Amino acid sequence: DAGVTQSPTHLIKTRGQQVTLRCSPKSGHDTVSWYQQALGQGPQFIFQYYEEEERQRGNFPDRFSGHQFPNYSSELNVNALLLGDSALYLCASSLEGPYEQYFGPGTRLTVT
Amino acid sequence: GQNIDQPTEMTATEGAIVQINCTYQTSGFNGLFWYQQHAGEAPTFLSYNVLDGLEEKGRFSSFLSRSKGYSYLLLKELQMKDSASYLCAVRDPWGKLQFGAGTQVVVTP
Repeated sequence: DAGVTQSPTHLIKTRGQQVTLRCSPKSGHDTVSWYQQALGQGPQFIFQYYEEEERQRGNFPDRFSGHQFPNYSSELNVNALLLGDSALYLCASSLEGPYEQYFGPGTRLTVT
Repeated sequence: GQNIDQPTEMTATEGAIVQINCTYQTSGFNGLFWYQQHAGEAPTFLSYNVLDGLEEKGRFSSFLSRSKGYSYLLLKELQMKDSASYLCAVRDPWGKLQFGAGTQVVVTP
């Protein structure tokens, strides 16, 4: 049973560019959440998707957008990259409701 | 406002016990989680409390007091592999996790 997978593992982008990160949830999970983790900090909630809709959103600007597909996989898009967007981006999946979230290995984004 | 506080770093000797405290003030509460995160890796689930009291899982135990907004994670019989960051996270009624900054535990020989 595959766990949560994310791609790519690492990514280097230039300021002003756009990036798309991908996540496949654990088998059977229908809810996907995205988190940004800066070095030395805890993960910060970006948004959560359920049934292809954004259900909750954290304090992130509109440059951060996402999508969930019918197979429950998800994408995170970041436009107009800033140096401060450099971080580990984590995807977590769960069943809808008060269930444990399982994290993927993350995508390390570096903006130069 | 919402706030989750935990110590930045703790050091303990192999074989000893360490207790990591977490205090929280959040607008909604539907459970408290503890995750372990080794450097460069994803967080892995350790424990979950939604009712007051102690939950024990092998060498790890977690305690919750909702009235005090307080939890702790107890690590017993410390091993070198327990050196990691430990994250306290509160879940809101809609499933969002809010994390503390993490406590770096250093286990020395």
